[in-house]
Amino acid sequence: EVQLVESGGGLVQPGRSLKLSCAASGFTFSDYNMAWVRQAPTKGLEWVASISYGGSNTHYGDSVKGRFTISRDNAKSTLYLQMDSLRSEDTATYYCARYYYDVPPNYWGQGVMVTVSS
Amino acid sequence: DIQMTQSLASLSASLEEIVTITCQASQDIGNWLAWYQQKPGKSPQLLIHSATSLADGIPSRFSGSRSGTQYSLKISRLQVEDTGIYYCLQRYSNPWTFGGGTKLELK
Repeated sequence: EVQLVESGGGLVQPGRSLKLSCAASGFTFSDYNMAWVRQAPTKGLEWVASISYGGSNTHYGDSVKGRFTISRDNAKSTLYLQMDSLRSEDTATYYCARYYYDVPPNYWGQGVMVTVSS
Repeated sequence: DIQMTQSLASLSASLEEIVTITCQASQDIGNWLAWYQQKPGKSPQLLIHSATSLADGIPSRFSGSRSGTQYSLKISRLQVEDTGIYYCLQRYSNPWTFGGGTKLELK
């Protein structure tokens, strides 16, 4: 069974950093591209970042470019999101998701909440 | 960036009714369009990919279509479990962009 389990969320002050993790199981992690998608409270979905299966290609949404870094450790089957210079508008539930070239994210984690507030 | 517009923020329909939800792309995105359903407190679920392909395990009452840069999700006979928020997503180019969502409720 495919499982994606996010962790690392919590309350953080503006300007500080936080690192999210997404532990994958039930599939060959290194075969799949991965993404982070977030959802602010009562708002819609926003794509944050994507990384290729080997980790060499990364892409970011405009609102996080230069502040967030997506990475992966295929040996540990784990995806990461390093979030620096956090702002109140980064407050959201963060989901990790698995996707393939021709298939959009079809497995998602349960999400982890990040609250940026003083 | 490509804008995806779901003109209806909410929609109310009766059981067994045919429901159509639309999404307009600001430019050509080919068939790089997916539809998701999200229920309260849950992760999104993929319904349709490549504009018209049904995702694994999704009931056949769901279907997708395309006319130029307008995309539609059709539910042929609305069921109770179909309530939720529906989002379109384009992956034609980075940044990926979602539509604002259409909330589907039972009348």
